[in-house]
Amino acid sequence: TQLLEQSPQFLSIQEGENLTVYCNSSSVFSSLQWYRQEPGEGPVLLVTVVTGGEVKKLKRLTFQFGDARKDSSLHITAAQPGDTGLYLCAGPQKLVFGQGTRLTINP
Amino acid sequence: DAGVIQSPRHEVTEMGQEVTLRCKPISGHNSLFWYRQTMMRGLELLIYFNNNVPIDDSGMPEDRFSAKMPNASFSTLKIQPSEPRDSAVYFCASSHTPGNTIYFGEGSWLTVV
Repeated sequence: TQLLEQSPQFLSIQEGENLTVYCNSSSVFSSLQWYRQEPGEGPVLLVTVVTGGEVKKLKRLTFQFGDARKDSSLHITAAQPGDTGLYLCAGPQKLVFGQGTRLTINP
Repeated sequence: DAGVIQSPRHEVTEMGQEVTLRCKPISGHNSLFWYRQTMMRGLELLIYFNNNVPIDDSGMPEDRFSAKMPNASFSTLKIQPSEPRDSAVYFCASSHTPGNTIYFGEGSWLTVV
C-alpha cells in the first residue's frame, strides 16, 4: 500500500505570511494530486503533477513534484484568509489520500 | 451541470439501526467512489465502482458495510447495524475514468449515538 504523509498536520499563520506544506512517501508515484477541502464541503482538485521536478503555479500557490516522484510541496505566498482549509495530497492508485494539513490564516 | 449529489446531508441515528446513504454521480462519469472521513483516520477509500461493477472493496471495514450500484446514476452505501464508531462524514465521488479528476459530493454527516 502506498502511504502519503503530510506535514505539518496543523498550521496557523497570519495573513500575508508565506508557508510551505509537504507530502512525502517512500513509494514512487506516477502522479500526485493536491486537493483543498473547505468546512462542510468535499475536497476540490487544485492541481495534478506528473513529471519529476515539475513546478506548477496557481496564482499564489506553487506546487512542486520531487525529482524522484516520491514527494511534493505546496508553497503559498502572501497567504490570505480565503486560503484557510484542509490541504490533501493524493496518489493515483485508488486515490490514496494523505491525512492532510489543516491550514488557518488569521486576519 | 449538477455535481455529485448525496443524501441525506446529515443523519443522526441510534446504535443498531440501519443507515442508507445515497449518491447520484455526475452524468457520464463511469467511476464512482465511496470515502469515509474522520479526524483520526483522514479520508479513506471504502469502495469504488467502474461501469457499475465493484472493482475494489478492500477498504470496506467489515460485513456491516455494503455498497451497491444498480445503475450508472445511483449508488447506495448501507451500514447495518450501525455503531457509534461509524460516525463520520461519508463522501461519494465520481470521475470519467479511474485515473481522471475526481469530483466529490458535499458529504453525508453521520452520527450514531
